[in-house]
Order: sequence, then C-alpha cells, then structure tokens
Amino acid sequence: ETGVTQSPTHLIKTRGQQVTLRCSSQSGHNTVSWYQQALGQGPQFIFQYYREEENGRGNFPPRFSGLQFPNYSSELNVNALELDDSALYLCASSLEDRGDTQYFGPGTRLTVL
Amino acid sequence: QKEVEQDPGPLSVPEGAIVSLNCTYSNSAFQYFMWYRQYSRKGPELLMYTYSSGNKEDGRFTAQVDKSSKYISLFIRDSQPSDSATYLCAMRKGGAQKLVFGQGTRLTINP
Repeated sequence: ETGVTQSPTHLIKTRGQQVTLRCSSQSGHNTVSWYQQALGQGPQFIFQYYREEENGRGNFPPRFSGLQFPNYSSELNVNALELDDSALYLCASSLEDRGDTQYFGPGTRLTVL
Repeated sequence: QKEVEQDPGPLSVPEGAIVSLNCTYSNSAFQYFMWYRQYSRKGPELLMYTYSSGNKEDGRFTAQVDKSSKYISLFIRDSQPSDSATYLCAMRKGGAQKLVFGQGTRLTINP
C-alpha cells in the first residue's frame, strides 16, 4: 500500500453536473499530481500542486480545477461534466525532492451519463 | 504521434516464461524512465525506476534503457500468474514532475 487514499471509489453523475474528488497524500508529501485514465489508456497528466499552488498543468480545460490543503489532502473539481470525462481519476503524491517517485492512490472511477 | 508508444497487447504467456515488454518514445529530453504495474481496479504501482541509459535489476525484473534508440524494455523472468496485470511505461524530463505514460500492455500469465 502506498498510503495514498482517494474517495469516493465510484461516482455516477449526469452531463452538466459538477463533481469533487478527494485525495489524501502520504504524510510529509507536499506535492500531489492528478491524472485521468480513460479505459484502455495510460494516465494523462491533469495538473500538479506543490505547497498549495498549481505547479504545472496538462492539456485539460479550465473546468478542471484543484485545491491542495496544508494537511496533505487535495481535491479535483470538474465543472460542466461531459460524457468524455468518464474515466479513472488518479492522484499521486511525492516528496519535494523526489518527484520522480510518485505514489498513486487506487483512483476514483467516474461515470458520466 | 504520441510521445510514448506501447503495444497494448494483450500478451499471454505460460508460467515460467521470460516476458519482454517495450516502449518507444520520440522526445529526447526524457531522462527518467519508470515501469508501473496496475492490477484491475487498482492504481499504478511503481516497479522500476531508471535514470538515463543502462540496466537495472530487481529480483525477477530487469529494466533496460537505450536512449540512442529511444527504446526501453522491462524483462520478467520466471513469470508467475500473480504477474498478470497491465504494465505501464512512464517517463519524464529532467526538472519536470509530469509523467508521460504509454498506453499500457495487458499481460496474462497462464498456469
């Protein structure tokens, strides 16, 4: 186990709704990254937060946003859900000086109907 | 063209066989190379991490990186049914946190 937890495990939403996914990093890890993994594909980088500030973003629209809190927890928010947002959402935490070792949580599976 | 290409398989081999998994990439700026294992309905688990070119061995697993050919490999010796999973290659540039993943290869080891 990596010590990274995510909630909820599964979620079903309808198109146009908003969703918040949560992640709790390993203790001491001040960097969290979020990835989207579509079925049969590798994870795609959404963005990263370092010390509560966004520290890099992939090719995702602004309706994907995030927050990181001082207690090593973080959130991924997605507004105006689209059918293509259906995927496994993964968070990964890492130490400031060991960014190459990213520890992934089990993911939240989001289904948009 | 994707930055990282990986044959999605599926790949099915008998127990005890040597398994070879491969990825190619197009961006010569990649310096750090990883292999993750992902079981069904689970998050990716880091298996191997290599910096630049060379080989790294850990038990039954060997990772190879050939930067001149932009080609990385993972070998699994004495494969076990418990090795059945999807294997993802990942890589990143120096100083960057973003991991770029391949599509993943689905591997089944038959008893």
